[in-house]
Amino acid sequence: NAGVTQTPKFQVLKTGQSMTLQCAQDMNHNSMYWYRQDPGMGLRLIYYSASEGTTDKGEVPNGYNVSRLNKREFSLRLESAAPSQTSVYFCASSEWSGGSTDTQYFGPGTRLTVL
Amino acid sequence: GESVGLHLPTLSVQEGDNSIINCAYSNSASDYFIWYKQESGKGPQFIIDIRSNMDKRQGQRVTVLLNKTVKHLSLQIAATQPGDSAVYFCAETTYQKVTFGIGTKLQVIP
Repeated sequence: NAGVTQTPKFQVLKTGQSMTLQCAQDMNHNSMYWYRQDPGMGLRLIYYSASEGTTDKGEVPNGYNVSRLNKREFSLRLESAAPSQTSVYFCASSEWSGGSTDTQYFGPGTRLTVL
Repeated sequence: GESVGLHLPTLSVQEGDNSIINCAYSNSASDYFIWYKQESGKGPQFIIDIRSNMDKRQGQRVTVLLNKTVKHLSLQIAATQPGDSAVYFCAETTYQKVTFGIGTKLQVIP
C-alpha cells in the first residue's frame, strides 16, 4: 500500500514549456487534490476532484489544467510554464464520504523550477 | 533583503522537554481540525485530528487542544525527540473546504 505517489520528484523547465505532473493513490479514495506550496505561505489549492469524472477550480487555478483519468489518477498540466509557477506541488487524496471530517493524505511532492 | 513573510515562526526545544505549537484559525464555522507534520523534502503527514465538539484529544505522545471561544488550536508533544524536528501546521475544515496554516518550525536541540 504505497498511499499517494507523485512523479516526477524534480523537474526544471524553461519558460513556455509544458509538462504534466502525475499522481496516483491506492487507497480507493473518492477525492483528489492538487496544491502548491510556496515559502511563507500555507498550501494553496489549485484544483480538486470530488469524485471520478468531476473537477473544480481551487484558489489558484490560472495556468493549470487537470484530468481525473480514473478513480486512482489525477494529473496536473502546465501548458506554458512561467517562472511564477516555480513551487513545490503536492497531490492529496481523501475518502470524502459526505461529511466534513475528511482527512487528506499527501504525496511526497514535485519540486518544479521554471527558468 | 529577504521578506519577513518567508520566515516561518520557529520553536526551539531541548530534547526531552515538552513542545507546544499554537495555531489561530479564522472561521468560527470550522468543524474539523487536523495537525500535520512536514519533514524537510517530504509531503505533509497526518498527526492527529479533533472535531469541534471536543476540546481535547490525545494520541501517542501528542495532544491537541481546541478552544473555540478564541479560535485557537494547540499541539503538545511530550518528551520531544530529534525525530520531531519538522514544520507543523494546522488545517481547519468546513464541508470539504480546507484552509492550511503557514506552519511553525520545531527545532529540537540535542
